[in-house]
Amino acid sequence: DTGVSQNPRHKITKRGQNVTFRCDPISEHNRLYWYRQTLGQGPEFLTYFQNEAQLEKSRLLSDRFSAERPKGSFSTLEIQRTEQGDSAMYLCASSLGQGPHEQYFGPGTRLTVT
Amino acid sequence: GDSVTQMEGPVTLSEEAFLTINCTYTATGYPSLFWYVQYPGEGLQLLLKATKADDKGSNKGFEATYRKETTSFHLEKGSVQVSDSAVYFCALSGKGGGNKLTFGTGTQLKVEL
Repeated sequence: DTGVSQNPRHKITKRGQNVTFRCDPISEHNRLYWYRQTLGQGPEFLTYFQNEAQLEKSRLLSDRFSAERPKGSFSTLEIQRTEQGDSAMYLCASSLGQGPHEQYFGPGTRLTVT
Repeated sequence: GDSVTQMEGPVTLSEEAFLTINCTYTATGYPSLFWYVQYPGEGLQLLLKATKADDKGSNKGFEATYRKETTSFHLEKGSVQVSDSAVYFCALSGKGGGNKLTFGTGTQLKVEL
């Protein structure tokens, strides 16, 4: 069991640039979640997928953000025209099935926008 | 909407002391409740959970009881160790909505010898 992996672990970018993060969930997990965590706060939900379908998006996910999960496997989160306020830790989690099953979290990608 | 309130930290205790971290929630219906822990340099890990009223979740000497009447899910441990030093997050998962988690702000615990 390799767990949830995220790449890159750290990303520094200049304001206005686009960035893309990748999440590889635990292989048999059909649900995949993205959260954002800023310093001193708990993670905040951004969006989730069941298989390849994106079923919910938070109001936090502005139109500069887009997420995909082609073929229901790995997922990407892209931020266009980054702003300093986008600086945060982006967390991915996966779970199996429906109901209140445990979500397994990846180590996160720390984004710094300069 | 759903929300979780937990006590602010940092909480500093001596080894073998008793730990309580308070957590209360607001949600429609009867959510599932979780405690996640984040050790230094590591990702979030589920510590324990409870899915219905009066359930007690327990793991590694930690326990928490789902109290519907007080909308609380306080975390307790009878004797903390230095290795318990971490940030603890209370979270809920509402019914429907893909079981997304709503987290509290986290409570940092420091255990000293």
